[in-house]
Amino acid sequence: DSGVTQTPKHLITATGQRVTLRCSPRSGDLSVYWYQQSLDQGLQFLIQYYNGEERAKGNILERFSAQQFPDLHSELNLSSLELGDSALYFCASSGIRLAVGSDTQYFGPGTRLTVL
Amino acid sequence: GQQVMQIPQYQHVQEGEDFTTYCNSSTTLSNIQWYKQRPGGHPVFLIQLVKSGEVKKQKRLTFQFGEAKKNSSLHITATQTTDVGTYFCAGRARGGNKLTFGTGTQLKVEL
Repeated sequence: DSGVTQTPKHLITATGQRVTLRCSPRSGDLSVYWYQQSLDQGLQFLIQYYNGEERAKGNILERFSAQQFPDLHSELNLSSLELGDSALYFCASSGIRLAVGSDTQYFGPGTRLTVL
Repeated sequence: GQQVMQIPQYQHVQEGEDFTTYCNSSTTLSNIQWYKQRPGGHPVFLIQLVKSGEVKKQKRLTFQFGEAKKNSSLHITATQTTDVGTYFCAGRARGGNKLTFGTGTQLKVEL
C-alpha cells in the first residue's frame, strides 16, 4: 500500500459526458501528479500540482483540467469524453523536498475509465 | 522536449535467464529512477541513481547510471516468475522540474 488513494476504482460512462477523478496523496506529500496509461502503453504525464499551485504541465488536453485543494487532495476533471479517453488514470504523490534525490513518486491504485 | 526511450519494448525469457533493459534520454539527467508495474497493478518505485557511473544492486537486480548521465540500465540475473511486469525508467532533466517516464519494457518469464 503506497498510501495514495484514488476514487473511484472503476468508472464507466458515455461519450460527451464529464467525470471527476479524485486523489488523496500520502500524508505530508505536497506534490500530486496525474498520469494517463492507455492499454499496453507507457505513462503519459498530464499535470503536476505542488501545494495547490500548478507546477508542470504535460500532454494534457484542453478538455481536461485539474486542481489541488487546501487539504492537498486533487481532482482531475475530464469533459466531453471521447472513446479514446478510455484508459487507466494514475495519481502519484511525492515529498516536500524538491532538491535532487527527493522526488520519488508513490502511485495510487488508479482509476480505470471506460468511455462507451 | 525531453524524450526517454527504453529498449526492448518486450522481452520473453525462460526462467533462470538474465534480462536487461536499457534507458536512453535525449537530455542530460540530474537523476534516474526505476519503477516496476506488475500486471494489473500500479508503478512501484525501485531505486534512484544520482551520480555519474553509479551502480546499485538489489538482490538479483543491478542498476547502472551512465557516465554522461544520459542513459541507464537494469539487469536482472536469473529471472523468476515474480519478475514479470513492466519496468519503467524515469528521468529528470538537469534544471528541470518534471520527471519523464520512459516507454517501458514489458518482461514475461516462462517456466
